[in-house]
Amino acid sequence: DGGITQSPKYLFRKEGQNVTLSCEQNLNHDAMYWYRQDPGQGLRLIYYSQIVNDFQKGDIAEGYSVSREKKESFPLTVTSAQKNPTAFYLCASSAQLLAHGNTIYFGEGSWLTVV
Amino acid sequence: AQSVTQPDIHITVSEGASLELRCNYSYGATPYLFWYVQSPGQGLQLLLKYFSGDTLVQGIKGFEAEFKRSQSSFNLRKPSVHWSDAAEYFCAVDLGNDMRFGAGTRLTVKP
Repeated sequence: DGGITQSPKYLFRKEGQNVTLSCEQNLNHDAMYWYRQDPGQGLRLIYYSQIVNDFQKGDIAEGYSVSREKKESFPLTVTSAQKNPTAFYLCASSAQLLAHGNTIYFGEGSWLTVV
Repeated sequence: AQSVTQPDIHITVSEGASLELRCNYSYGATPYLFWYVQSPGQGLQLLLKYFSGDTLVQGIKGFEAEFKRSQSSFNLRKPSVHWSDAAEYFCAVDLGNDMRFGAGTRLTVKP
């Protein structure tokens, strides 16, 4: 079955450490996204990528980094510069960059907790 | 600024009762509108979407939504709620390179 796989599901990070969240899709989608979800705030866009080797900052990119070396993979690194990283992170993809109503599909999410 | 507002943070309905979740948007053009559902600790699943044409759209799980341009609204409805519908519901607007989400409405279903 086609879909988006995020790993790990749960991750604990010590302050000052960088952590990387994995996102893999086998939908052959060009566009991929990372969202952060906090209670009562909906979803906020961190980064998005329209095509391999290209990515753009979203609304809350500070303290995060991404890469897009392969079409199917879009890992997110939460760096020590992110002051409040504890959140639920959602990876998503769409056939093309969102426009004309392309449907966006989501992974199951990753919980990151700073300890 | 472009935005999506879901006025109700939490709604409780009895099983079998009807449901309406409100969504208002602020956007210059006719937007592409979506409703998603999220079970606890899970990703988001698309319920339905509106692009153009008929303003009443049907989705999965018996949900429907009506686009009203004059009210800038896209309310989600279901005639008879099931206990399995308890979840968080998000309205969203396609801005072209981003999907703008509302803050969500949490639905509780009473037996």
